[in-house]
Amino acid sequence: KAGVTQTPRYLIKTRGQQVTLSCSPISGHRSVSWYQQTPGQGLQFLFEYFSETQRNKGNFPGRFSGRQFSNSRSEMNVSTLELGDSALYLCASSPGQVNQPQHFGDGTRLSIL
Amino acid sequence: SQQGEEDPQALSIQEGENATMNCSYKTSINNLQWYRQNSGRGLVHLILIRSNEREKHSGRLRVTLDTSKKSSSLLITASRAADTASYFCATVFNSGAGSYQLTFGKGTKLSVIP
Repeated sequence: KAGVTQTPRYLIKTRGQQVTLSCSPISGHRSVSWYQQTPGQGLQFLFEYFSETQRNKGNFPGRFSGRQFSNSRSEMNVSTLELGDSALYLCASSPGQVNQPQHFGDGTRLSIL
Repeated sequence: SQQGEEDPQALSIQEGENATMNCSYKTSINNLQWYRQNSGRGLVHLILIRSNEREKHSGRLRVTLDTSKKSSSLLITASRAADTASYFCATVFNSGAGSYQLTFGKGTKLSVIP
């Protein structure tokens, strides 16, 4: 099976812009979660989608949003970018049940200038 | 906030030695998972241990879970240079609506010297 694919791998934006990141999960996986990883805060949960519905959301401002399509592919959007949004954004997919591991993509490295 | 806290933050050992990393957490969990991350890459799942299990093995990896102490340990035996990576524990609890969120610690950076 192909793994989780995230595009693009690297992105450079300036403050105030918006960005859309894409994630293609493993075939058959219905759950997609997004995480932000920074040196200071570590790995933080953004949100999880299951069958096109947001099931859970982390403690991030409304500038961070996401969606999931009928083929389970997911996108996350960050509007009005701030310097502090510079991070590695990781997407993970799973079948969506509790005792199943998540499978991560290699992430999108977002740099804000 | 981070629920899992790994200890130590960094560990440097010689190839062939064993490496032990510990993880403590605060609330009740459904399961606890360990992941590895090589620099600049995504996380790779290593082992999942359920709350009713005490020990689990996978190849050179051994994980223990003590729910009374809210702690877990990951042992890597006969380490290799390729084991050099950051290791994270992640706890899973039911966050409602059937969603099972992973909450990560800050990780242990393991360096295995050839």
